[in-house]
Amino acid sequence: NAGVMQNPRHLVRRRGQEARLRCSPMKGHSHVYWYRQLPEEGLKFMVYLQKENIIDESGMPKERFSAEFPKEGPSILRIQQVVRGDSAAYFCASSDGQGPEKLFFGSGTQLSVL
Amino acid sequence: AQSVAQPEDQVNVAEGNPLTVKCTYSVSGNPYLFWYVQYPNRGLQFLLKYITGDNLVKGSYGFEAEFNKSQTSFHLKKPSALVSDSALYFCAVSGPNQAGTALIFGKGTTLSVSS
Repeated sequence: NAGVMQNPRHLVRRRGQEARLRCSPMKGHSHVYWYRQLPEEGLKFMVYLQKENIIDESGMPKERFSAEFPKEGPSILRIQQVVRGDSAAYFCASSDGQGPEKLFFGSGTQLSVL
Repeated sequence: AQSVAQPEDQVNVAEGNPLTVKCTYSVSGNPYLFWYVQYPNRGLQFLLKYITGDNLVKGSYGFEAEFNKSQTSFHLKKPSALVSDSALYFCAVSGPNQAGTALIFGKGTTLSVSS
């Protein structure tokens, strides 16, 4: 039973390019959460999705960032026109959504913006 | 709004000594509390959770945490630290909508265990 899979592990982009981060949840999980980890700031919630629906996007920056979790395929976190401040580790977690559950985390994508 | 505070950026202990990593929380209603550990270049791993019941919760790798409602704390403890326990530890609280909601994490505490 594979865990949460994120790819790529490392992503390098130049300023102004687009970054696409992918997350495949654990088998049987239909809830996906994206977090961003910055040095000195800890882990910040970004967005919570179920299949085809955004449940909570209160942590998403208002511009350039979007997320989706289509009926088929992985969840995608998309960052348009990246800036150096977007450099961070982005973690995806999944759950089965049954109450105050524990989350299962992927190994993260380290985004570096040059 | 739900929030979690980890007052120590770093905790240093000698191997074999007891360790405590502190966490305080602020929630409306009954808290659902969690501890996660992160090893270098890895995702977070679940250690333990408190939902209800006994105030002392036992988790993975010999860790335990004590829920103290009057002090709004959920400190992580281990009787005898190992060098392999060195990692980044996060306390977390469940968000406003308990079921299927996102966890709100503290900033993390780096635990360093020396041999």
